[in-house]
Amino acid sequence: AQTVTQSQPEMSVQEAETVTLSCTYDTSENNYYLFWYKQPPSRQMILVIRQEAYKQQNATENRFSVNFQKAAKSFSLKISDSQLGDTAMYFCAFMNWVNNNDMRFGAGTRLTVKP
Amino acid sequence: EPEVTQTPSHQVTQMGQEVILRCVPISNHLYFYWYRQILGQKVEFLVSFYNNEISEKSEIFDDQFSVERPDGSNFTLKIRSTKLEDSAMYFCASTGSSIYEQYFGPGTRLTVT
Repeated sequence: AQTVTQSQPEMSVQEAETVTLSCTYDTSENNYYLFWYKQPPSRQMILVIRQEAYKQQNATENRFSVNFQKAAKSFSLKISDSQLGDTAMYFCAFMNWVNNNDMRFGAGTRLTVKP
Repeated sequence: EPEVTQTPSHQVTQMGQEVILRCVPISNHLYFYWYRQILGQKVEFLVSFYNNEISEKSEIFDDQFSVERPDGSNFTLKIRSTKLEDSAMYFCASTGSSIYEQYFGPGTRLTVT
């Protein structure tokens, strides 16, 4: 079974600084998707970024980028130029390529951006 | 931009009562999902639904749970006899042709007293 581990329950960063959130996962599959979701206090789950495992290039979305290390089964999220609106819970998630119905989430990291 | 909607935003019910949570997925989407998140814990997959039938369900999704797509727009989650431990945030999600991108609704907070 696939598991997703986020080892940092809480993190904080100063506004405009850079922060990296860690995620590791366990799978025997070769093809899969990885995601970072943001959950602000409003509780809505918002997709931040996704990565297809077959792609070697790290995904980027504006201030958000990932460091995908397939051999190490690591998928960290880097937030550059942190903004107050980035304050939220961040969940790492895994989805199998074949069985794409079952998304597994990590326990989450609570990120606080301080002014 | 199209979005997934859920009603109600907050539901309070007594233990043993039936509750129905409603979702309206994005109109051209084909795959539908329910997740739950117990307060302070991670999001957990409950069930997926495609072509008018359940395609996958987790061990959490026992006989007390059922899903239905009663018409062309709604997707419902029914809990037959609620328990205190059913108190959680319930999220609906849907995907279209980009099956790896799930769009989540805002969630329904269920409180069982």
